[in-house]
Amino acid sequence: GAVVSQHPSWVICKSGTSVKIECRSLDFQATTMFWYRQFPKQSLMLMATSNEGSKATYEQGVEKDKFLINHASLTLSTLTVTSAHPEDSSFYICSAVKTGTTEAFFGQGTRLTVV
Amino acid sequence: GENVEQHPSTLSVQEGDSAVIKCTYSDSASNYFPWYKQELGKGPQLIIDIRSNVGEKKDQRIAVTLNKTAKHFSLHITETQPEDSAVYFCAASMGGAQKLVFGQGTRLTINP
Repeated sequence: GAVVSQHPSWVICKSGTSVKIECRSLDFQATTMFWYRQFPKQSLMLMATSNEGSKATYEQGVEKDKFLINHASLTLSTLTVTSAHPEDSSFYICSAVKTGTTEAFFGQGTRLTVV
Repeated sequence: GENVEQHPSTLSVQEGDSAVIKCTYSDSASNYFPWYKQELGKGPQLIIDIRSNVGEKKDQRIAVTLNKTAKHFSLHITETQPEDSAVYFCAASMGGAQKLVFGQGTRLTINP
């Protein structure tokens, strides 16, 4: 149990286009989900907190208009990277907190390459 | 805000030996300290966690200790096996899994 699935696992897109990444909790409900970014051989940096039915809370320095987050249901949050540029290339990871608990479960990550 | 420092950045041990990874945190209000294992190209996997009302927790070959006074916590892996090779991250937060702040990571290599 407690599986979080991200889709796609990897994506290559052209500069200037947008790409959407999905994060689904497959067997539990998650009122809160988190989006992280990880550069090669570095740690995870929190980008934003996504709460079901409300606006996401972004960390300092993260552009909310560039990284659009939608959490429309208790099992799905999406991250859309708009007008992607090569510097947006990174590993994006989501985590979902099982409603009523304090445990977070991570997705397998999405490797985004912008060319 | 919270700051988590993790050492060492790389660790190489012989199979069967023990491995210890240490983390320090800055905010005394932090009360939840999980450890994650991340394999190449995958997301982090929770391996053990500890809360501030406990000093030590063990799960088979893995144990975590917490010293609230000194604000540091450690991961101990005994009888290491090749499949323990991975990057390990510690983290801290003030409310369960809310807003985890991660350490820099430790690349653990188990030599056969």
